[in-house]
Amino acid sequence: DIVLTQSPATLSVTPGESVSLSCRASQGISTSIHWYQQKSDKSPRLLIKYASQSISGIPSRFSGSGSGTDFTLSINRVESEDFSVYYCQQNYSLPLTFGSGTKLEIK
Amino acid sequence: QINLLQSGAALVKPGASVKLSCKASGYTFTDYYIHWVKQSHGKTLEWIGYINPNSDYTNYNEKFKSKATLTVDKSTNTAYMELSRLTSEDSATYYCTRGGNSGYYFDYWGQGVMVTVSS
Repeated sequence: DIVLTQSPATLSVTPGESVSLSCRASQGISTSIHWYQQKSDKSPRLLIKYASQSISGIPSRFSGSGSGTDFTLSINRVESEDFSVYYCQQNYSLPLTFGSGTKLEIK
Repeated sequence: QINLLQSGAALVKPGASVKLSCKASGYTFTDYYIHWVKQSHGKTLEWIGYINPNSDYTNYNEKFKSKATLTVDKSTNTAYMELSRLTSEDSATYYCTRGGNSGYYFDYWGQGVMVTVSS
């Protein structure tokens, strides 16, 4: 199974800062990575597909990059509504797997 | 608008089974896979498997092959997941999700259903 390692586990930031969240795959997966946001007691929401493709309705401050084994979700100027947990997920091979998440919290 | 409406929370006894439902609306049900995802302890996400509503083809994560059974009812646009021989390890929130255009990412999610296994 492909293991996705997300770092850091927790990121403390001040609103208005820009941040980068990392997701590293245990083997090369091209651009087969997707990013989700999960707010407390809510279902996850798709933010970015295939590493960098935007999703309709998602604010433009969210962007993704990377290929192979290293991927990044960037948030330009974090807003208060962005404080939540972020997960990456791969669909390069079955079984589909998720990272363990990065919690973005207010400093 | 696209919606996946899941059945309510369940409290079940160890050793029993439970059948969860997921009613889809707002799109052509047979055009997209339905996946099921387990979230334990409010954090870890695990893919259970998917079903193709058009063909009834299923594919399971090896870890859940003897635990979960996926079915659909095309007449009601509803997907089901039955979990059998429940233990405390099965206590979790379960989501149904729609597979995106490629089938293997999740573009819409149900609201989730909490299953608690307790005597």
